[in-house]
Amino acid sequence: QVQLQQWGAGLLKPSETLSLTCAVYGGSFSGYYWTWIRQSPGKGLEWIGAINHSGTTNDNPSLKSRVTMSVDISKNQFSLNLTSVTAADTAVYYCARGRLVFPPDYWGQGVLVTVSS
Amino acid sequence: EILLTQSPGTLSLSPGDRATLSCRASQSLSRNYLAWFQQRPGQAPRLLIYGASNRATGIPDRFTGSGSGTQFTLTISRLEPDDFAIYYCQQYNSSPRTFGPGTKVDIK
Repeated sequence: QVQLQQWGAGLLKPSETLSLTCAVYGGSFSGYYWTWIRQSPGKGLEWIGAINHSGTTNDNPSLKSRVTMSVDISKNQFSLNLTSVTAADTAVYYCARGRLVFPPDYWGQGVLVTVSS
Repeated sequence: EILLTQSPGTLSLSPGDRATLSCRASQSLSRNYLAWFQQRPGQAPRLLIYGASNRATGIPDRFTGSGSGTQFTLTISRLEPDDFAIYYCQQYNSSPRTFGPGTKVDIK
């Protein structure tokens, strides 16, 4: 049974860096693209990007300049950093398991990140 | 970037009714890489359909996906209480992956 558990700071000030980590339990870590998706009332579901076990990334150009993704295969974890956050980055952030040509099939529980001064 | 539009925005139906949800893509999905997700309040989206017409593991057969190219449909044959939720389509034919705005199925 695959489970994804995610965590990170839930309240940020403008210009700070959002940092989230997702741990994968059960199943293989290799062979998948580990994905970040966010959901805000204003923009709905937005695909942020994905990274595989060897560090190859697939980014959303709209966020690419501010996004860094990484993996720690020794811990079966992957992380997201989003720099210079603004109120527009307020959203529930999800981690998920996908493949290059397969949609996300297992999701984390979501973390609400609020950006406010 | 491929834009997805969904219709209707809201569908008000009763348990036992048939629901028909539409998703249209701004460009042809050449490999029909179109998925449907269900999201209940306070929960993460759940994968229902992949490849336009393949049910994901554990998804009951009252959920059926169809379509190709730019026009796709999710049909729920007989609505059960747990089916009242928001449904999103997503294309994974090209990057960036994109989602539709959702169709809310609520109780009439």
